[in-house]
This record gives sequence, structure tokens and C-alpha cells, in this order.
Amino acid sequence: DAKTTQPPSMDCAEGRAANLPCNHSTISGNEYVYWYRQIHSQGPQYIIHGLKNNETNEMASLIITEDRKSSTLILPHATLRDTAVYYCIVSDTGANSKLTFGKGITLSVRP
Amino acid sequence: DTGVSQDPRHKITKRGQNVTFRCDPISEHNRLYWYRQTLGQGPEFLTYFQNEAQLEKSRLLSDRFSAERPKGSFSTLEIQRTEQGDSAMYLCASSLAATNEKLFFGSGTQLSVL
Repeated sequence: DAKTTQPPSMDCAEGRAANLPCNHSTISGNEYVYWYRQIHSQGPQYIIHGLKNNETNEMASLIITEDRKSSTLILPHATLRDTAVYYCIVSDTGANSKLTFGKGITLSVRP
Repeated sequence: DTGVSQDPRHKITKRGQNVTFRCDPISEHNRLYWYRQTLGQGPEFLTYFQNEAQLEKSRLLSDRFSAERPKGSFSTLEIQRTEQGDSAMYLCASSLAATNEKLFFGSGTQLSVL
């Protein structure tokens, strides 16, 4: 069972920031928050992950609330190519762990 | 391109036939996963390997499904006596070492059972 809740869809204008929310109220202390995205007809692509500190890489920023019960993925300048399904996943990194995907959120970037 | 490759990209078969898919992971990756995805759903975990050892199988993996990774490199997923409900995208992913921090996915094999 997925441990996260995401709205089914959202849209944003090209060039604007896209803020994708995720709730994970039952996250445990050793679980990370991962974000993957899946562009149509492709396999999922890793974006970013974090434990409790905010993280940034060349693709996105991840903001995790202090109580770790929710997070936001930020695409600072969305482009049409960012239109995809975005999955928020919580998981530990233990040897027997695996990623469990929910339905994700469909982001539509409009021109 | 040294990413995860899957073959074939598409497979159409008749109900009752056997099918086999192949996955070639990124060469230095020890861990290999199989997922299945149906329309509108996220990928569902099927099984994973650490080198050649199959460490876990989902309850979704009925006895008609078998996966192998004989030399700890490429992997095959076979479905025997296919059913229409097996129609799905079958995704392979690999990761370095024994963590699931970053999975690298292939583009999948789309199976259609008629």
C-alpha cells in the first residue's frame, strides 16, 4: 500500500514554478521521501530524494516540513517537457526495502 | 547509451501462449527489479534480485510467472499460459549496491494478450 497521498492532477503555465504537494503523515524516522516522474510511454525517472533537510538538484527542489508529514516538489521553471505523472514515495533504504508507487499526480504544463 | 534496456518493446500474443521478456541492467548495478504497470496505475512491484539471487517475490507473481538472473547480469521474465489480465507494461529497473536510493528504469515491454 502506498503511504502517500497526492491530488490526482494539477496544471501550471510554462515558465512558472510548479509546486507538487504530497502528504505522508505516517512516515517513520528512517524513511526517505522520493520523487520520480513518468513521461508518457517511458519508464519512471528518478528526480530527487530527502530525509528531513530540503534538497535541491539540477531538476528540482524538495521541501520537507519540519514534522516530515508532508513535502513539496518544486520545478522552478516548468516547461512543456515536464508534463508527466509525478510519484511521491516514502521508503527506507534498507537491504530489503523496495519502492511502492501510488497513482501519482498528473502535471500538465500549458503553453 | 548505457541505460537499462528491455526487449521487446511490444509483444502481442494469444491467450494461452508463453512469452519471455529480457532486461539488461546498467552494467555495474547489482540489484534488478521487475514491475508491472496497467493503464492509469503506478508501477506495481513484482520481484527483485541481488546479483543472481531472487530475494523477494510479490503475491502478484503467480506460479505462471518466473524470473531469472542466471549470471547476475541480464534477467528474463517468463509468463506461461498468458491470460488477458496479464496485459500490461512490464518495467525493469536496476540500482547500484543494496539500496533503492536511485532506480533506473527501462522503457518497458508492453504486453497485449488477445
